[in-house]
Amino acid sequence: DAGVTQSPTHLIKTRGQQVTLRCSPISGHKSVSWYQQVLGQGPQFIFQYYEKEERGRGNFPDRFSARQFPNYSSELNVNALLLGDSALYLCASSYPGQGAYGYTFGSGTRLTVV
Amino acid sequence: AQTVTQSQPEMSVQEAETVTLSCTYDTSESDYYLFWYKQPPSRQMILVIRQEAYKQQNATENRFSVNFQKAAKSFSLKISDSQLGDAAMYFCAYRKLYTGANSKLTFGKGITLSVRP
Repeated sequence: DAGVTQSPTHLIKTRGQQVTLRCSPISGHKSVSWYQQVLGQGPQFIFQYYEKEERGRGNFPDRFSARQFPNYSSELNVNALLLGDSALYLCASSYPGQGAYGYTFGSGTRLTVV
Repeated sequence: AQTVTQSQPEMSVQEAETVTLSCTYDTSESDYYLFWYKQPPSRQMILVIRQEAYKQQNATENRFSVNFQKAAKSFSLKISDSQLGDAAMYFCAYRKLYTGANSKLTFGKGITLSVRP
């Protein structure tokens, strides 16, 4: 089975632009979470979606939004990019009720804002 | 709010030796889950081991084991017979037991482990 796939792997954007990151969970996983990992830090929780509904949101500004599609894939959108948004964005998925066993992460999208 | 602290930014170990990575956390919950994740240069976070706080027995997965001290809120990872492939960043993470629909992980800042041949 394919793991959690994220696209693109790398991205360079200019300040003020908008970006969309994509995530496909493992087959059968209905929960998708997004994390931001700034260089040298641990991942910070951004969003969790389950059954296409937002179930949790971290301490991020409204410039960050996400959605989940009927096939459980997800997109993370960031508007009005700032230099500080440069980070590795990780997607994680889990099977319903199996989050206690940890999550499966993708390899992330490296976003650089210049 | 829960916090996870990893105070050692870097550690080094000789191949085949044993190393212990430290983690402390703060929570008002009585039951929760703790995890150690490994992040190699490939960037993918890989689950190494998990511990349920309501279980007294320390978790073990092959060469990896934990020392879980609930009263002290300490959760260290011991890597035995270290291998070159163990070189990576290691993150300690916390998750509430009963989360409703939001089951986010709270991570520490991580420890960079290098393995000397």
